[in-house]
Amino acid sequence: DAGVTQSPTHLIKTRGQQVTLRCSPISGHKSVSWYQQVLGQGPQFIFQYYEKEERGRGNFPDRFSARQFPNYSSELNVNALLLGDSALYLCASSRHTGELFFGEGSRLTVL
Amino acid sequence: ILNVEQSPQSLHVQEGDSTNFTCSFPSSNFYALHWYRWETAKSPEALFVMTLNGDEKKKGRISATLNTKEGYSYLYIKGSQPEDSATYLCAPMNQAGTALIFGKGTTLSVSS
Repeated sequence: DAGVTQSPTHLIKTRGQQVTLRCSPISGHKSVSWYQQVLGQGPQFIFQYYEKEERGRGNFPDRFSARQFPNYSSELNVNALLLGDSALYLCASSRHTGELFFGEGSRLTVL
Repeated sequence: ILNVEQSPQSLHVQEGDSTNFTCSFPSSNFYALHWYRWETAKSPEALFVMTLNGDEKKKGRISATLNTKEGYSYLYIKGSQPEDSATYLCAPMNQAGTALIFGKGTTLSVSS
């Protein structure tokens, strides 16, 4: 079975732009979570979706939004990009509250 | 807000050495404790998920213990190998079961 896949793997944006990151979970996993990892820090929780509903939200501004589709894939959107949004964005899937299976991430650089 | 501390921040050992890392977290509102291994240019990989006080889990040369009453977990690696070089992250899960709160990790480097 394929693991968690994320796209794009790398992207460069300028301040003020908007970005959409995509994630396909492992087949059979209904939960998708998003984490942001900046250099020197552990991943920080952004969102969790289960069965297409938002079940948890971390301490991020409203510029961050996400959704989960009927096939359980997910998108993370970030509007009005700031330099500080430069980070590795990790998507993880799970059956519910068990171990998370992570993708390799989308590396976002904001110039 | 949970405060998760991991020590040491980094560690360099020789092949064959045994080592251990510490993860401390607030013991209140505990749901589960996850350990992940993150190799460079790869995705984080789950090692253990522990829920009960006194839990001990083992996978090959790696083992972990959990003390939920005092809020700490130890990760042990016996006979370190170069392929063990990675960042080891611990993450308690919040009581709602929705979010992992990661520490900054311990970066292990094993020289042959």
